[in-house]
Amino acid sequence: GDSVTQMEGPVTLSEEAFLTINCTYTATGYPSLFWYVQYPGEGLQLLLKATKADDKGSNKGFEATYRKETTSFHLEKGSVQVSDSAVYFCALSDQNQGGKLIFGQGTELSVKP
Amino acid sequence: DTGVSQDPRHKITKRGQNVTFRCDPISEHNRLYWYRQTLGQGPEFLTYFQNEAQLEKSRLLSDRFSAERPKGSFSTLEIQRTEQGDSAMYLCASSTQGTGNTIYFGEGSWLTVV
Repeated sequence: GDSVTQMEGPVTLSEEAFLTINCTYTATGYPSLFWYVQYPGEGLQLLLKATKADDKGSNKGFEATYRKETTSFHLEKGSVQVSDSAVYFCALSDQNQGGKLIFGQGTELSVKP
Repeated sequence: DTGVSQDPRHKITKRGQNVTFRCDPISEHNRLYWYRQTLGQGPEFLTYFQNEAQLEKSRLLSDRFSAERPKGSFSTLEIQRTEQGDSAMYLCASSTQGTGNTIYFGEGSWLTVV
């Protein structure tokens, strides 16, 4: 079945450092890809998404490009802030499977001042 | 748009008791999803509805779990004869139907079985 694999955390960075969180997927169809963020004690919030190959999703300085050839959707940010500390989840959805999200295991990011 | 709301936010129950969680989706959303999340893990799909029809149930959803969406609006998730392994956060989410449509999550209902 479809699946998502993320790099393991925790990831600890200094403020203003460059961030990359790797995400690869396995899917039988043509999924849409998402990054969600979860702050402590809260639900998940959509960070960005891409619905077809070569699309780039971006939001709040984060970006990710849908790479079909490498089945990847890596999350990047050029300069992280302390407020970016959270858990980041990569996910895919396939309308042929009811559009449900299949998540990776999450990557915890901690940004130090 | 008030977002997806869940109730209660926290529930502590004794093993063997029944619990019920309620989810109110965003009003125009015809799809509603339930997920379970344990500490340090990603959310795991449990079930989803399109309007009032329950279209898919995960193998994770044992016979002790039942979900309903009687009028295609709010939904309930009931866990009968709770076990300690049921302790988790139960997340509800909703969306409209369509490729790449955003799924919006509620803040979750924490369940602790003691």
